[in-house]
Amino acid sequence: AQSVTQLDSHVSVSEGTPVLLRCNYSSSYSPSLFWYVQHPNKGLQLLLKYTSAATLVKGINGFEAEFKKSETSFHLTKPSAHMSDAAEYFCVVSKGGATNKLIFGTGTLLAVQP
Amino acid sequence: DTAVSQTPKYLVTQMGNDKSIKCEQNLGHDTMYWYKQDSKKFLKIMFSYNNKELIINETVPNRFSPKSPDKAHLNLHINSLELGDSAVYFCASSRPLVRAGETQYFGPGTRLLVL
Repeated sequence: AQSVTQLDSHVSVSEGTPVLLRCNYSSSYSPSLFWYVQHPNKGLQLLLKYTSAATLVKGINGFEAEFKKSETSFHLTKPSAHMSDAAEYFCVVSKGGATNKLIFGTGTLLAVQP
Repeated sequence: DTAVSQTPKYLVTQMGNDKSIKCEQNLGHDTMYWYKQDSKKFLKIMFSYNNKELIINETVPNRFSPKSPDKAHLNLHINSLELGDSAVYFCASSRPLVRAGETQYFGPGTRLLVL
């Protein structure tokens, strides 16, 4: 069965410092992985996705993630945090098959200090 | 030019009432979904329709009934609302699964509060 584990429920960084949000996945086959962001009282926006092409995936707003099969990880990074990055981030795996069912992680709340 | 829209944005109602949430997408997608986000921000799939046909039906109480009048609309009707139904409900849509990992595009959510 597919699942994702977000290792940190809260991450706090200072503006201008790097961001690292950690995600490990479990999948019986090559997974499709996503990172979504949810700003307060807003919907979910896709940051980036991995679908068995390049292992380093670049997304919007300067975010990127690297798929590491040996570590079953898909960590999200950004070189320099901005105040507007403060939000909830979800790591997601697609179950694939005929249903495209998404399995969400429990989320990581990113706080950015001035 | 909103891609996935939901109405209403907020819904406050009494226990026992029946309510509906509407979702529309103008992306030309064939597949639509309903997700529930609980108070701890955990998101879980409830239903999915592909071209008006139900393809995912998780273990959701039968008080919840999705209806897809056409492939651009997926509505959610909830009977006999309970306190535990309070949550944020998100609609999403995607292209049909011709390859793995089709992106799902989410609506802004409907915040339901049952008193």
